[in-house]
Parts: sequence; structure tokens; C-alpha cells
Amino acid sequence: EAQVTQNPRYLITVTGKKLTVTCSQNMNHEYMSWYRQDPGLGLRQIYYSMNVEVTDKGDVPEGYKVSRKEKRNFPLILESPSPNQTSLYFCASSTTIQGLRDYGYTFGSGTRLTVV
Amino acid sequence: QKEVEQDPGPLSVPEGAIVSLNCTYSNSAFQYFMWYRQYSRKGPELLMYTYSSGNKEDGRFTAQVDKSSKYISLFIRDSQPSDSATYLCAMTRSNYQLIWGAGTKLIIKP
Repeated sequence: EAQVTQNPRYLITVTGKKLTVTCSQNMNHEYMSWYRQDPGLGLRQIYYSMNVEVTDKGDVPEGYKVSRKEKRNFPLILESPSPNQTSLYFCASSTTIQGLRDYGYTFGSGTRLTVV
Repeated sequence: QKEVEQDPGPLSVPEGAIVSLNCTYSNSAFQYFMWYRQYSRKGPELLMYTYSSGNKEDGRFTAQVDKSSKYISLFIRDSQPSDSATYLCAMTRSNYQLIWGAGTKLIIKP
């Protein structure tokens, strides 16, 4: 089954404790992206990757890191989480960035992160 | 001011009603317009996309774009309880990046 798999689904952590949210897709997609979703603010892009070893900042990159060493994986790293990073996070992929228009994103099921 | 405005709802209608969901936008450079549906505890999924002004139909769903008014709509005919979800509009800049509305929560009452 074609899918984007995120782990974990739920995570409660303490301020300052480094964490990684994993994301893997099995569709050979070039374009991958991380979003956070907050009430009233909708989806905001954190980072995106056009292909292996090519990443760039989205609209809200502060406090986050990403890497793309393999095509299928795109982990999101919070080096020192803070309470304002409490949110619902989604990883998403598409064939290419141009493919977003015609095929849209395939989203993972989300990771609900709480930082206390 | 947000580039894309969308009423968060919730919008509650009886089963079988026609539903109208809307977004307004401020950037006339937006080119493609999409509607995503998001069920609770799930990621969004693409419902429909359109490029030009006018209507596009897909089963019970119709997407409408009015570029002169910077206004897009999604109509759902013969609404079903299974249509209860949050509906997000999204549109692309010239660099293909998506800008999202905040989403409208729709509740269809049996």
C-alpha cells in the first residue's frame, strides 16, 4: 500500500530534550515536506526537500532541523523542544513539487507532540 | 492579513443538504486551487483541484473558482454523515509552494 508512515503518533516530552520524528514513504516520491497544524492557523510548512540532500526552509523553520540522506526518509529533529512547539505535525510527500498541483500530497497520519 | 481566509466553522447541516464551503484570497498570483478533506486523527487528502475560473465537477462535489473576486468554493450535494470532516482549501504560488486555509469543520447530522 502506498503510504507515508510517521512515528510516533503521540509524544509527550520535556523542554530541552532532543527528539526525532521519523517519516518514511514507499512511493519513490522526490518531494517531501513537514507541516505543523495549529487551531486557527492551519497548515504551516516547516521544511521541505526537493530530492536527496536538497532541503530548504518553509515558513516556520525556527527550532527544527531536517535531513534527507535517502529518498524515502525525511526525519524531523527538534534539538531543544520548547512548549510553543506543542502541535500536530504532518509529513507529506508528492511525486515532484510540480506534481503537487495535479496529484496533491500524500500525508502521514500525524504526530501529536506535547512539550511540557 | 492572511493570504488565504477560511471560516473555521463548525458548519452543521442536516443530511441531504447542499453544503457550500468558501475561501477568499488576497494574492492574485495564485494559480492552482485545491480542496483537501481531513478526517479526525488523519492527514488531509486531496479532493479536487482546478486551474481556471469556472466550475469543475466530480460526483457530488463541485469546485468553483472566481479569480476576479479572489473567491473559491466547494459545493457538496446530497451531503452524507461520512462527509463530516474538516475541509481545507489550498492554492499555489508561482513557485509551486502551497498556501493553506485554516480549514472549515463540517458536521452532517443524520
